[in-house]
Amino acid sequence: EVQLVDSGGGLVQPGGSLRLSCAASGFTFSNYWMSWVRQAPGKGLEWVANIKQDGTEQYYVDSVKGRFTISRDNAKNSLYLQMNSLRAEDTAVYYCARLKGGNLFDCWGQGTLVTVSS
Amino acid sequence: EIVLTQSPATLSLSPGERATLSCRASQSVSSYLAWYQQKPGQAPRLLIYDASSRATGIPARFSGSGSGTDFTLTISSLEPEDFAVYYCQQRNSWPPKLTFGGGTKVEIK
Repeated sequence: EVQLVDSGGGLVQPGGSLRLSCAASGFTFSNYWMSWVRQAPGKGLEWVANIKQDGTEQYYVDSVKGRFTISRDNAKNSLYLQMNSLRAEDTAVYYCARLKGGNLFDCWGQGTLVTVSS
Repeated sequence: EIVLTQSPATLSLSPGERATLSCRASQSVSSYLAWYQQKPGQAPRLLIYDASSRATGIPARFSGSGSGTDFTLTISSLEPEDFAVYYCQQRNSWPPKLTFGGGTKVEIK
C-alpha cells in the first residue's frame, strides 16, 4: 500500500524555524518527483515546492523562496521541508504529496499543522 | 503564472441531483487539468486527470471534460459522500510551478 506520513508540525514563534518530514512506503520513492502543498485554515490549496527524483532540481512558490528548502533522502525514503524565518501567513496544514509524471498529485500524506504565533 | 478560476464558489444541491462545476484557466493548459476532492479533516484525493481520465477507484458518476481554458467536472447523481470541496489543478507550466483553483464547495441543500 502506498503511504505518506507527515510529521514535524507544531507551534513556532514568528521568525522561528521548523523542519517537516514525510516518510514514504509502498512504492519506489526514488522514482518520483515529490512535493509539499499547504492549506491555511479555512482556505484553499497552495503548492509550496517540488523536488526532482535525484534532488538536483527544486522549485518554489514565490512567497517561500529564500526561506524554505525542500530536500530528500532516497536511502531513507524521506522528504523534508526546512522552514526558516516563519511568518504568521505560513500557518497552515502542510501535506507531502507524490507527483505522477512530475506534476500530478496522485498520493497525499495526512498533513501536519504548522502554527506561527507569538 | 497560470490562474485558475472556479465557479460557483458554493453549489447547494440535493442527493440524486446532477452537479456541474467549472474551472477556467487564464491561458491554455491544453488537456493538463486535474480535479481533486477534499472532505473536512482529510487530505485531497485525485479524481480526474488530463481533463477526462478517472483516477483509480473513482466511480463512473464522476466525469470531466474540456480543453484549452474551459473545463467541467460533472457528478451525474450526487451520493451523500460526494458533498465536499472540489479543486482543479493545472500541470501545463514549466518549470513545474503548479497552481490550484480556489475550490467549489458542494453542500447539501
